[in-house]
Order: sequence, then structure tokens, then C-alpha cells
Amino acid sequence: DGGITQSPKYLFRKEGQNVTLSCEQNLNHDAMYWYRQDPGQGLRLIYYSQIVNDFQKGDIAEGYSVSREKKESFPLTVTSAQKNPTAFYLCASSLHHLGQPDEHEKLFFGSGTQLSVL
Amino acid sequence: GDSVTQMEGPVTLSEEAFLTINCTYTATGYPSLFWYVQYPGEGLQLLLKATKADDKGSNKGFEATYRKETTSFHLEKGSVQVSDSAVYFCALSDRTGTASKLTFGTGTRLQVTL
Repeated sequence: DGGITQSPKYLFRKEGQNVTLSCEQNLNHDAMYWYRQDPGQGLRLIYYSQIVNDFQKGDIAEGYSVSREKKESFPLTVTSAQKNPTAFYLCASSLHHLGQPDEHEKLFFGSGTQLSVL
Repeated sequence: GDSVTQMEGPVTLSEEAFLTINCTYTATGYPSLFWYVQYPGEGLQLLLKATKADDKGSNKGFEATYRKETTSFHLEKGSVQVSDSAVYFCALSDRTGTASKLTFGTGTRLQVTL
């Protein structure tokens, strides 16, 4: 079955530590995204990538880093500079718009990673 | 910038009751509008969408109509079930480049009881 896999489901970070959240998709989607979800605040965009080896900052990129070395993978690193990392992190992907113009707006989400600080 | 405002929850209904969750938006241009649903401990799933004014999106008994004159996209269902209990997010897409940068509302939790 095609889909998006996020791991781990739960992650704990010690102070001063960097942690990496994994996101893998086998939908052959070009674009991938990372969102952060906090209670009562909805979802906020951290980073997104339209093609391999390219990515752009979203609304709350400070304290985070990403890479896009393969089409299938878009890992997110939460660095020690992120002072309030406790949140639910969601990865998503979408098709390239040149193929199906409306389909590129349809996001498919993973099941999320809950990050907490020890 | 773009923004989405949803009614605050939680919304508690009895099974078979009528559901309305209000959503209004602020955007430049002509965004696409979406409703996503999130079940406990899971990611979001697209429920329905509308891409232009007066379009009606529908799925699984849920409906929403793109109202440009009132900048609204209210979600409705005629008869809710316990299985509809979830958090519902209204969102818009700014259609920039080849990526879809969605702006989400804060979500509305729906609880349906027997």
C-alpha cells in the first residue's frame, strides 16, 4: 500500500540534544512538507520541498533543519536552538502540479511523531 | 497574510443530529478551500475540497460550499454518527509554485454521543 511513514511515533529529547524525525513516502510525490501541531493552534508550516535537493522555509523554521537527498525521504532535525520543541509533528506530501493541476493541492499526511522534552 | 478562522469547540452532538462547523477565511486572490479530519493519534485526511466560488465539495455525507461573497466554507452534515467524532480543520491553499502551502484553522473538536 502506498503512503507516508513517520517514525518514531514517540520521541523524547534531552536538553541540548538534536533529534531527527523520519518521513518516508512511496507515493512518488514530488513535494513534501513538515507541519507542527500545538494544542489550540492548528498546524503551522516548518519547511517544505518541491523537488530533490531543494527546500524552503515555512512560517516557523527557526530551530529546525531539513534535507531532501532522495525523493522518498524528507527528514526533520529539531536542533537545540528550538527552545520549545514539545509538539506533534506531521509530515505530508503532494503531487507535482504539472501532472494534475488540482491534485498538487491535495496533501497526504503521515500519522505523526509526538516529541517531548525530558 | 492569509488566515482561516474556525468556530471554537468542542462541539458535542447526539447521534443523528445536524452538524455545522463554521469557517471563514481571509486571502488574496482565489484560494482553494479544504476540510481535513483528524482521528485520535493520527495524521490528517482530506475530507473534501472546493476550488472556485459556488463549488460544493462533498464526501461521506459532509458538504461545504465555497461562498466568495461571505468568504466562508462552512462544513455541514445532516445526520452525524459516533464514528464522526474527530477534529476538523478548515484550510486554504495559496497555490504558489508547485507546492501547496496550506494555511490551517485551529481545528474544531466534534464529539458525538449515543
